[in-house]
Amino acid sequence: RKEVEQDPGPFNVPEGATVAFNCTYSNSASQSFFWYRQDCRKEPKLLMSVYSSGNEDGRFTAQLNRASQYISLLIRDSKLSDSATYLCVVTIPGKLIFGQGTELSVKP
Amino acid sequence: SQTIHQWPATLVQPVGSPLSLECTVEGTSNPNLYWYRQAAGRGLQLLFYSVGIGQISSEVPQNLSASRPQDRQFILSSKKLLLSDSGFYLCAWSVTGAFTEAFFGQGTRLTVV
Repeated sequence: RKEVEQDPGPFNVPEGATVAFNCTYSNSASQSFFWYRQDCRKEPKLLMSVYSSGNEDGRFTAQLNRASQYISLLIRDSKLSDSATYLCVVTIPGKLIFGQGTELSVKP
Repeated sequence: SQTIHQWPATLVQPVGSPLSLECTVEGTSNPNLYWYRQAAGRGLQLLFYSVGIGQISSEVPQNLSASRPQDRQFILSSKKLLLSDSGFYLCAWSVTGAFTEAFFGQGTRLTVV
């Protein structure tokens, strides 16, 4: 079993749609959780951290369920510029483990 | 502010040739340092991580090695490249001793021919 698993995608949605990404992790010792965004042929960049209480940043909402070892990212009112690959990231002592990513394509 | 430099941006190397990729971080001390590889259309695979000078942990046995000769310098090497070593190599750093996010260099796109 992979340490971090994400929806395989790709997700193709129209502008203005709401899209949700899911992620599960296997190591109960995981401490911190993040969502990264990676544009084509570029390095990953931090989108937002994920807290147990849930957190929101504009159109983006992240949720963490430690009991279920589940992380989610919700994007509301999708924009063309949201097209990218979204990576779920989990930290365990000393290292960050990435999911394989879910590709999002927002169409006009 | 902290910055991370990784070079070269692209590299084409013949099979059997050596490799040396360098990464340096500025503006922080004793960072955790990471090397990842991303094959085309795939996720990031952690290759090596380091919590201090001379301290290297290897995640995947392979044709590569890493060294940390200075606090903010991380080097990825190979004595003889294989075709399967082609990929997008990314260096990253995070704050030491904390479960914080990592920040990436711009990556090196390596093609072994």
